[in-house]
Amino acid sequence: NAGVMQNPRHLVRRRGQEARLRCSPMKGHSHVYWYRQLPEEGLKFMVYLQKENIIDESGMPKERFSAEFPKEGPSILRIQQVVRGDSAAYFCASSPGRQDTQYFGPGTRLTVL
Amino acid sequence: TQLLEQSPQFLSIQEGENLTVYCNSSSVFSSLQWYRQEPGEGPVLLVTVVTGGEVKKLKRLTFQFGDARKDSSLHITAAQPGDTGLYLCAGVGGTSYGKLTFGQGTILTVHP
Repeated sequence: NAGVMQNPRHLVRRRGQEARLRCSPMKGHSHVYWYRQLPEEGLKFMVYLQKENIIDESGMPKERFSAEFPKEGPSILRIQQVVRGDSAAYFCASSPGRQDTQYFGPGTRLTVL
Repeated sequence: TQLLEQSPQFLSIQEGENLTVYCNSSSVFSSLQWYRQEPGEGPVLLVTVVTGGEVKKLKRLTFQFGDARKDSSLHITAAQPGDTGLYLCAGVGGTSYGKLTFGQGTILTVHP
């Protein structure tokens, strides 16, 4: 049973470009969470999605960031017009239900030059 | 806004020593989790404590949940170099239904 998959593992973008981060949840999991981690810090919640619905986006920056989890395919975290401050590790987690244990992917390390 | 204060932020000890990491909040959580994270990887769940006053043991690791379900501790006995890593506590539930609230993390280094 494959775990949570994220790609790419490493992503380099120049300021002003777009970044697309993908997350494939574990089989049978319909709940996806995105977290951001700055160097040597804990994880900060960004957004919680269920298939085709955003449940909680209270941790998402108001501008440039968006997330989706379509009926088919992976969840996508999209960052438009990236800035240096967006450089971080972005983790996706999935769970079968809302209060169930979340399983984390290996993360995508975004570097903005 | 729920917050979890984790301390200490850094811990550098010699092999064989004992250590305790603390996780405190003014908020009540339905449960609290402890994770370990290796460099370049995602967090891996070690344990979930649910009941106030609960104590769980995982080999040389002992986890405790406070009676009021606002705080927790992780105690490692006779630390080994293989214990080196980032330890994270995370609160579940409370007013943050569905999402995890993480502490800042403790970077543990165990020297041979």
